[in-house]
Amino acid sequence: DGGITQSPKYLFRKEGQNVTLSCEQNLNHDAMYWYRQDPGQGLRLIYYSQIVNDFQKGDIAEGYSVSREKKESFPLTVTSAQKNPTAFYLCASSINRAPYGYTFGSGTRLTVV
Amino acid sequence: DQQVKQNSPSLSVQEGRISILNCDYTNSMFDYFLWYKKYPAEGPTFLISISSIKDKNEDGRFTVFLNKSAKHLSLHIVPSQPGDSAVYFCAASLTGTASKLTFGTGTRLQVTL
Repeated sequence: DGGITQSPKYLFRKEGQNVTLSCEQNLNHDAMYWYRQDPGQGLRLIYYSQIVNDFQKGDIAEGYSVSREKKESFPLTVTSAQKNPTAFYLCASSINRAPYGYTFGSGTRLTVV
Repeated sequence: DQQVKQNSPSLSVQEGRISILNCDYTNSMFDYFLWYKKYPAEGPTFLISISSIKDKNEDGRFTVFLNKSAKHLSLHIVPSQPGDSAVYFCAASLTGTASKLTFGTGTRLQVTL
């Protein structure tokens, strides 16, 4: 059964620590994305990747890093430089041609204490 | 610069009545629009889409209308059911650029008994 898996669902970290969120898809999608959701602010794009070994910054990339070494995987690292890391993080994937519908993972809730 | 706007953060509708969710956009080059539905602590799921060459698309209880001259789209749900209670995001894409979607801030729909 094809889909996109984010793990873990809940994550707690101490302030100042880096943390990596996992995102894996078996849909054979070329493109993958990371979004952040905060109350009242909708979905904001952090990073996206259209092909393996290439990625671009989204609207709020500061304090985050990504890699795309495999088509199936697009991990997101929240670094200590991210000022407000507590949020709900969503990973998505899509084909690289219109119509550009996304398949989303179920999200990771990161809480930094 | 918010290119896709959902000006109503919340909407309450009685079961059986029509729900109308609105979305405005500023970029006239957007050529594909989508609606996603999101439950708490889950990833958004695709609901319905429309190409800019159409002005209406219908799928069961869900209909999306597009008014290009007004840069406005709306989602109609008829009849509304309690299970429709969720946050609804509209999104827009631009063919020829990256496949990324631009999302609105979301409208929380509450369907009451």
